[in-house]
Amino acid sequence: EAGVAQSPRYKIIEKRQSVAFWCNPISGHATLYWYQQILGQGPKLLIQFQNNGVVDDSQLPKDRFSAERLKGVDSTLKIQPAKLEDSAVYLCASSLRLAGVWTGELFFGEGSRLTVL
Amino acid sequence: SQQGEEDPQALSIQEGENATMNCSYKTSINNLQWYRQNSGRGLVHLILIRSNEREKHSGRLRVTLDTSKKSSSLLITASRAADTASYFCATGGSEKLVFGKGTKLTVNP
Repeated sequence: EAGVAQSPRYKIIEKRQSVAFWCNPISGHATLYWYQQILGQGPKLLIQFQNNGVVDDSQLPKDRFSAERLKGVDSTLKIQPAKLEDSAVYLCASSLRLAGVWTGELFFGEGSRLTVL
Repeated sequence: SQQGEEDPQALSIQEGENATMNCSYKTSINNLQWYRQNSGRGLVHLILIRSNEREKHSGRLRVTLDTSKKSSSLLITASRAADTASYFCATGGSEKLVFGKGTKLTVNP
């Protein structure tokens, strides 16, 4: 079974530029998450999708961050314009429901490391 | 804000020794999970313990949960150099997880 795919793995941009990250979750996983992990810290949830609807985006800086999950499969996270403090690893994860019950486990991709200069 | 707080922040041991990491949390939980993250990689699920369980084992891993103290511990027995990684506890609800800051474990050969 293929895991969560993310691209690009690394991106270096200058502040005020824009960047986009892509995620393909595990097939059949209805819930998709974007987490931000700053160096030395734990992942922080940015946004959670259930199929193609947003469940929680309370910690997404909406003035510069946007995310979409068209057709309930792939997702894109965009940052525009980027700030120095956006330097982090952006992790995509997905999870599964069995018979309508959340299994509880998140499956993570390898992450996209962003450096803003 | 982050729910769980791991302790210690960093731990260095010799191969073959046991490693114990602790997690404290603030609010009631349905379950608590532990994840491992190797340097430069994504997080990998290790074990899930439900609020009505007190102890759970998986291979060389032993997790305990004390809901009265709002704390959990992860014990790795007979550690190996390959166990070198950061370990995070996570508490869940509404199909999402909140992670702590992690414990960085170094196992020296």
